[in-house]
Amino acid sequence: GAVVSQHPSRVICKSGTSVKIECRSLDFQATTMFWYRQFPKQSLMLMATSNEGSKATYEQGVEKDKFLINHASLTLSTLTVTSAHPEDSSFYICSATQYKRSQETQYFGPGTRLLVL
Amino acid sequence: QKEVEQNSGPLSVPEGAIASLNCTYSDRGSQSFFWYRQYSGKSPELIMFIYSNGDKEDGRFTAQLNKASQYVSLLIRDSQPSDSATYLCAVSRRGAGSYQLTFGKGTKLSVIP
Repeated sequence: GAVVSQHPSRVICKSGTSVKIECRSLDFQATTMFWYRQFPKQSLMLMATSNEGSKATYEQGVEKDKFLINHASLTLSTLTVTSAHPEDSSFYICSATQYKRSQETQYFGPGTRLLVL
Repeated sequence: QKEVEQNSGPLSVPEGAIASLNCTYSDRGSQSFFWYRQYSGKSPELIMFIYSNGDKEDGRFTAQLNKASQYVSLLIRDSQPSDSATYLCAVSRRGAGSYQLTFGKGTKLSVIP
């Protein structure tokens, strides 16, 4: 159990276009999902917390108008990188929180590798 | 500021040996502790979690927690080359609306055949 999927796994786009990444919890409901970004050989950086039915909470320095997050259901959150530029090229990873017996555990999706040309 | 500290390594151990990975945290309010494994180019994979002081064993893995010392560790027995990866320590406070994980920078483990 506790499987999280992401789609697409890899995307190449032209500068100025928008890219949507989906994150789904397949076998559990996730009130809270998180979006991370990871550059090569660096640690995970939390971008935002996505809560079902409410606005996302962004970390300091993350532009909310550039990284649009929608958490429309208990199993789906989407991240849209708007007007992507080469510096947005990175590994984007989502995680979903499972609550079981009053304990919470984050499970990660497989990640989406974005390359902006 | 909440911090999680790990030795970046690389930590090299011979195949079959015990690998010991350490982590300290600054937030005394932390209540949940996690170890994730991340292979190069892949996303983190949950290895173990621990909430109470003491040891927790799962197969070749043992997590140890000492809240008084703000210290959590992961032991890997009978290390295999396939265990070579970066191990991320993560902590969180348990509380309504606050389930964010604070990650360490990770320790790179290399198991030498």
